[in-house]
Amino acid sequence: DAGVIQSPRHEVTEMGQEVTLRCKPISGHDYLFWYRQTMMRGLELLIYFNNNVPIDDSGMPEDRFSAKMPNASFSTLKIQPSEPRDSAVYFCASSLRTGNTEAFFGQGTRLTVV
Amino acid sequence: AQSVAQPEDQVNVAEGNPLTVKCTYSVSGNPYLFWYVQYPNRGLQFLLKYITGDNLVKGSYGFEAEFNKSQTSFHLKKPSALVSDSALYFCAVREGQAGTALIFGKGTTLSVSS
Repeated sequence: DAGVIQSPRHEVTEMGQEVTLRCKPISGHDYLFWYRQTMMRGLELLIYFNNNVPIDDSGMPEDRFSAKMPNASFSTLKIQPSEPRDSAVYFCASSLRTGNTEAFFGQGTRLTVV
Repeated sequence: AQSVAQPEDQVNVAEGNPLTVKCTYSVSGNPYLFWYVQYPNRGLQFLLKYITGDNLVKGSYGFEAEFNKSQTSFHLKKPSALVSDSALYFCAVREGQAGTALIFGKGTTLSVSS
């Protein structure tokens, strides 16, 4: 398996524009996680899915953020409208069903909002 | 609620010397504990995990970690540091039941000098 695949790797957008980040989890993994990494706040959990269903979105910072998982092999994280403070590295990760298994991370998307 | 603390933002060690990166955790149930490493502009890579059993866990690249339940700690160790070990290290906890996400500490930068 190629691992968790995220696209794009880098995104530069203007304030107010819509941004969509994409993730393909490892085949067979039931859990998918979105994290955000910043210098100030470290690695924050935004939302996670189990079998395509959102389980906990309490980490989503504002209504401008939304995430979907229409099928087992694809998820999106959308920011609309984007703001400069959304600039960060966004990671997607996936793991198997059981709680004692590690999560595997994608390479991340570096988002810059100017 | 789960939480992880990494008390040191940075750890400096000379090549060949032993290294320790500290981590303490807080969960209401039994913990599953993980260490990840992040190299510049890369995603997080899994190093090792503690699930149950032997308190000393061995992982990738010669790293090991010691679980101490009474001190709620899970420190990462290596007997002899390499310059190539220089990276950002994250400790993470997942409460001992299926379905919960990994919660990460803020990370510790390890710098190994030659």
